[in-house]
Amino acid sequence: DGGITQSPKYLFRKEGQNVTLSCEQNLNHDAMYWYRQDPGQGLRLIYYSQIVNDFQKGDIAEGYSVSREKKESFPLTVTSAQKNPTAFYLCASSKSPGQGAYRVNSPLHFGNGTRLTVT
Amino acid sequence: EDKVVQSPLSLVVHEGDTVTLNCSYEVTNFRSLLWYKQEKKAPTFLFMLTSSGIEKKSGRLSSILDKKELSSILNITATQTGDSAIYLCAVEDPYYSGGGADGLTFGKGTHLIIQP
Repeated sequence: DGGITQSPKYLFRKEGQNVTLSCEQNLNHDAMYWYRQDPGQGLRLIYYSQIVNDFQKGDIAEGYSVSREKKESFPLTVTSAQKNPTAFYLCASSKSPGQGAYRVNSPLHFGNGTRLTVT
Repeated sequence: EDKVVQSPLSLVVHEGDTVTLNCSYEVTNFRSLLWYKQEKKAPTFLFMLTSSGIEKKSGRLSSILDKKELSSILNITATQTGDSAIYLCAVEDPYYSGGGADGLTFGKGTHLIIQP
């Protein structure tokens, strides 16, 4: 079955350490996304990638970094510069949305998330 | 900046009741409105609405878009405990760069609790 796999489900780290969250998809989707979800805040976009070797900042990219070396994989690194890293992180993918007015709508497919706790 | 506001933020009802969840938006270039259900982990897609006045239905769930009022409602009839979840609304503005490749802006969600 095709889907998105995030690992690990739970992650605990001490303050000051970088940590990398994994996201793998076998849906053959071009676009991948990282969202952060805090209680009462909804989903906020961290980074997204429309194609291999290219990615763009979302609304809250500070303190995070990503790479897109393969179509299937879009790992997120939470760096020590992120001031409030404890959150639930969701990875998502979609078919290539196209450009501008010719974008093709495609619902996002989400992974099961990683809950990161930094103490 | 695009905005999506959902109401209520939380709702507790009894099994069998009917609920209506609201989503209002302010976007520059509206393309679509999407509803997702998030039970514990991954949000799952419910509906995509692009045309005003056309109801989309799936079992006990239905949704409709009102472009004049810049809003959408999600109705759940004869609620069951399995309907307990966070319901997320998102609006697509393809020219809104802050929302990623699809220009998606999410609301804060409505946390629905169905009591037996």
